[in-house]
Amino acid sequence: ELKVEQNPLFLSMQEGKNYTIYCNYSTTSDRLYWYRQDPGKSLESLFVLLSNGAVKQEGRLMASLDTKARLSTLHITAAVHDLSATYFCAVDARGGADGLTFGKGTHLIIQP
Amino acid sequence: DGGITQSPKYLFRKEGQNVTLSCEQNLNHDAMYWYRQDPGQGLRLIYYSQIVNDFQKGDIAEGYSVSREKKESFPLTVTSAQKNPTAFYLCASMGDSGELFFGEGSRLTVL
Repeated sequence: ELKVEQNPLFLSMQEGKNYTIYCNYSTTSDRLYWYRQDPGKSLESLFVLLSNGAVKQEGRLMASLDTKARLSTLHITAAVHDLSATYFCAVDARGGADGLTFGKGTHLIIQP
Repeated sequence: DGGITQSPKYLFRKEGQNVTLSCEQNLNHDAMYWYRQDPGQGLRLIYYSQIVNDFQKGDIAEGYSVSREKKESFPLTVTSAQKNPTAFYLCASMGDSGELFFGEGSRLTVL
C-alpha cells in the first residue's frame, strides 16, 4: 500500500523566514504534485514534477523531486502572510489514470 | 471558461436518505475522480472513471455509487449505507501530465 507522508503537519512561522516542507512516499514514482488549499476551498495546483531532479519555482515557492530518495520538498523563501494555507503533496503510483494518493497536508500559518 | 462544476455546494441529508452530488467538466478529459476530505485530513479516493461507461472503486467505495454515461458527467450518490457521510467531496479530472483539476467541492452534512 502506498504511503505518502508529509512533515511537518503543522507549521507556524514568521514573515520573512525560510522553511521547507517534506513529502516522503513509499513506492516508486516519477510523478509528484503539489497543491494548495485555502480554508473552506478546493485544491489549487501549484507544481507538477515529472522526473528525477525536477525543480519548479513560482514566486517564493520552489519544489523539487528526488525519485531515488522518494522525497519531494517545498521550500518557502521569505514567507509572507498570503502564503498561509494547507499544502498537499500527491503521488501518482498506481500507474495510468488510476488517481493520485495524497499526503495529510501541512497546515502553514505565517504570522506578521 | 473551461473547468469543473460541482453542485450543490452545500447539502444536508437526513439519516436514511440517498443524495446525489453532481460533477460536470468541459475540459474534454477522459478520466474523472471523486475524493472525500475529512477535517484535518488528506483526500481519499472514492471512485474513478477512465472512460465512459466504465468506473472502478477507489480506497473507500463502500456506501457510494457512481455512473459515467457521458464524458462530461460523473455524478456521485451517497447512499444510506454510508454510515459517516459528513465530509467535503471533491470531483476532479485528469489532464495530460497526470495533474488533477478540481471542482469547488460539495459539503455534505448529515442532520
